[in-house]
Amino acid sequence: AQSVAQPEDQVNVAEGNPLTVKCTYSVSGNPYLFWYVQYPNRGLQFLLKYITGDNLVKGSYGFEAEFNKSQTSFHLKKPSALVSDSALYFCAVRDGEYGNKLVFGAGTILRVKS
Amino acid sequence: EAQVTQNPRYLITVTGKKLTVTCSQNMNHEYMSWYRQDPGLGLRQIYYSMNVEVTDKGDVPEGYKVSRKEKRNFPLILESPSPNQTSLYFCASSLGPGALGYGYTFGSGTRLTVV
Repeated sequence: AQSVAQPEDQVNVAEGNPLTVKCTYSVSGNPYLFWYVQYPNRGLQFLLKYITGDNLVKGSYGFEAEFNKSQTSFHLKKPSALVSDSALYFCAVRDGEYGNKLVFGAGTILRVKS
Repeated sequence: EAQVTQNPRYLITVTGKKLTVTCSQNMNHEYMSWYRQDPGLGLRQIYYSMNVEVTDKGDVPEGYKVSRKEKRNFPLILESPSPNQTSLYFCASSLGPGALGYGYTFGSGTRLTVV
């Protein structure tokens, strides 16, 4: 079965500094990877996805993610953090016989302090 | 506005009292899923549906039922809720196979407490 791991429960960063939220994956075959964000009392919002192609994927709200096959990683990045980026971030990978399931990591809380 | 609507947003119930959480999408999506979110575990799939009258179990289906009589609706049924079903529940829909690039649209969630 496919899986992802988010090794950090929480990431703290100062406003204006670059941020990285880490994700590693374990898959058989080509990975289909996703990042979602959850703001308090809200559902999950899609940020970006990697299916194939360029290793650097650009997404919503200025986020990007770097796919690294040799390190089996898909880290989420942003050059300059905003206080409003504070949220819970989930990495996910496609799974299921029909590709109908997302398998999520445990989530990483991002706190951006002013 | 394209959206997935869940109701209720919050629910406190007692052990054994049957309940239904409704989910409706207005995007004509074929695929719908239910997930539960628990601290430290991320989201886990309960059930999914690939189209009307086509449903199947996800990773944690025990204690839950679903139905898909209409394309837009995918209710989650707890016949006899227990405290270990206290969780945050999300409904999601997708145009195609959810993870084949289309991505899911998630509802705002239902926080269920079973006492």
